[in-house]
Order: sequence, then structure tokens, then C-alpha cells
Amino acid sequence: DGGITQSPKYLFRKEGQNVTLSCEQNLNHDAMYWYRQDPGQGLRLIYYSQIVNDFQKGDIAEGYSVSREKKESFPLTVTSAQKNPTAFYLCASSASSATNEKLLFGSGTQLSVL
Amino acid sequence: GENVEQHPSTLSVQEGDSAVIKCTYSDSASNYFPWYKQELGKGPQLIIDIRSNVGEKKDQRIAVTLNKTAKHFSLHITETQPEDSAVYFCAARLPIKTYKYIFGTGTRLKVLA
Repeated sequence: DGGITQSPKYLFRKEGQNVTLSCEQNLNHDAMYWYRQDPGQGLRLIYYSQIVNDFQKGDIAEGYSVSREKKESFPLTVTSAQKNPTAFYLCASSASSATNEKLLFGSGTQLSVL
Repeated sequence: GENVEQHPSTLSVQEGDSAVIKCTYSDSASNYFPWYKQELGKGPQLIIDIRSNVGEKKDQRIAVTLNKTAKHFSLHITETQPEDSAVYFCAARLPIKTYKYIFGTGTRLKVLA
């Protein structure tokens, strides 16, 4: 089945620690995205990548980093500089054609601070 | 800047009634408008979408309408069922160059049995 796989489902971070969230897609999508969702709020864009080895900052990139070494993978690192990391993190992907704009989401990772 | 306003923030309906959620977008260049359903602890699921060259689209009990002049689009759910209870998000996509989707703040729909 084609889809977007996020892991782990739950993640705990200790103070001063960097943690990495995994996102893999087998949809052959060019574009991938990371969103942050806080309780009762909408989705805020952290980073996005339109092509391998290239990515752009979203609206709330501070304290986060990404890489795009493979088309299928777009891992997100939450660094110690992110002082309020507790949130639900969503990875998404989309095709790059003008006739197929569907943005599809993974199942999310809940990050909590110990 | 780009913005999508979504109303209402919460909506309760009796089972079998209809539900309507409305969104307004700010950037007239937006050309694609998806709707998502999100259940607790899960990722958003795309349920219906519409492009700017279409005024209405229907898929069984759900439909989306678009008024480009007013920059409004709405989700209509008929014959609501308890399993329709979830948070619904609208979004607007800017033209292909930026790959940017702007999301509304969500509507929590409760269908009362």
C-alpha cells in the first residue's frame, strides 16, 4: 500500500537533547512537508522540500532542522534550541504536477518533554 | 499575508441533520481547496477537494462549494452520522511555485445520536 509512514508514534525528549522524527513515503511524491499541531489549533508549517537536497523554512523553523538526501525520506530533528517542543508533528507529501495537488498526511508523532 | 478563516470553531448537530462549515481565504491567487477530517490522535485525512475552475463538487454525503468572487468555500455534510464526529480543516493552496498550503483553524463537529 502506498502511503506516508511516520515513526515513532510517541517520543519523549529530555532537556538539552536533540530528537529526530522519521518520515518515509512510497508515493513517489516530489514535495514533502513538516507541520506542527498544538492542541485545539491549526497546522503550522515548519519546513518543506520540493526536491532532493533542497528545502525551505516554513513559518516556525527556529529550533528545527531537516534533511532531504533521498526522495522518499524527510527526517525532522527537534533541537535543544526548541524550548517548547511538546506538540503533535505531522509529515505530509504531495506530487509536484499542476493537476495533482493532493496533500497527504502521515499518522503523526506525539512529542513530549520529560 | 495569506490567511484562511474557518467558522464555526465548534458545531453540534443531531444525527441525520446537515452540517455546514465555511472558510474564507485572503489570497485571490489560491487555486486549490482541500478539506480534511482529523480524528483524535491521527493524521488529517483528505475527504474532498476542489479546484478554482469548478464551483461545486460532490462525493456521496459530502460536497464542497466555491465562490471565487467572494473568496468563500464551504463543506456540506448531509445525513450526518456519529462517525462524522471529528475535527475538520479547510485549506487553500497558493499557485504551484510556492507549494504552500494555508490551513484554517479547524471545526470540531459533534454528531449527537
